[in-house]
Amino acid sequence: AQTVTQSQPEMSVQEAETVTLSCTYDTSESDYYLFWYKQPPSRQMILVIRQEAYKQQNATENRFSVNFQKAAKSFSLKISDSQLGDAAMYFCAYRSDSGTYKYIFGTGTRLKVLA
Amino acid sequence: GAGVSQTPSNKVTEKGKYVELRCDPISGHTALYWYRQSLGQGPEFLIYFQGTGAADDSGLPNDRFFAVRPEGSVSTLKIQRTERGDSAVYLCASSDGLATDTQYFGPGTRLTVL
Repeated sequence: AQTVTQSQPEMSVQEAETVTLSCTYDTSESDYYLFWYKQPPSRQMILVIRQEAYKQQNATENRFSVNFQKAAKSFSLKISDSQLGDAAMYFCAYRSDSGTYKYIFGTGTRLKVLA
Repeated sequence: GAGVSQTPSNKVTEKGKYVELRCDPISGHTALYWYRQSLGQGPEFLIYFQGTGAADDSGLPNDRFFAVRPEGSVSTLKIQRTERGDSAVYLCASSDGLATDTQYFGPGTRLTVL
């Protein structure tokens, strides 16, 4: 069975600085997708960024980028020029590319942004 | 509607009662997911629909939990004989069902079992 681990329950970053959130996963599959979701205090989850496992190039979305290390099964999220609005819970998620499209989420990292 | 909606936003019930939680997905989305999120945890997969059928219900914790999606749009999560341990936020998400799909989440229903 696949698992997703986020070992940082909480992180803090100064406004305008850069922070990296860690995620590791375990799978025996070769084709899959990885995601980072943001959940602000209002509760609604939104997608931050997605990475297809077959792509070697790391995904980027504006200030958000990932460091995808397939062999190490590592998928970290880097947030540059942190803003107060980035404060939220961040969840890493895995989804297989075969069979079921079931998503597996990590336990989350709470990001605090300090003014 | 523009996004996924869930009703009610909050539900308080007594132990042993029956509850129904509703999810209205984004129009045209064929895939629909239900998750349960306990305090301080990530979403826990319950069930996934592709159209009207449950493609994967391996996350339903026991036979007190059941979900339907009779017309391939709105879905209802049904919980019988509720227990205090069922208290959580129940999240619904929908997607276009393709391999490259993106899930769009609703705001959730907070269920409290007294």
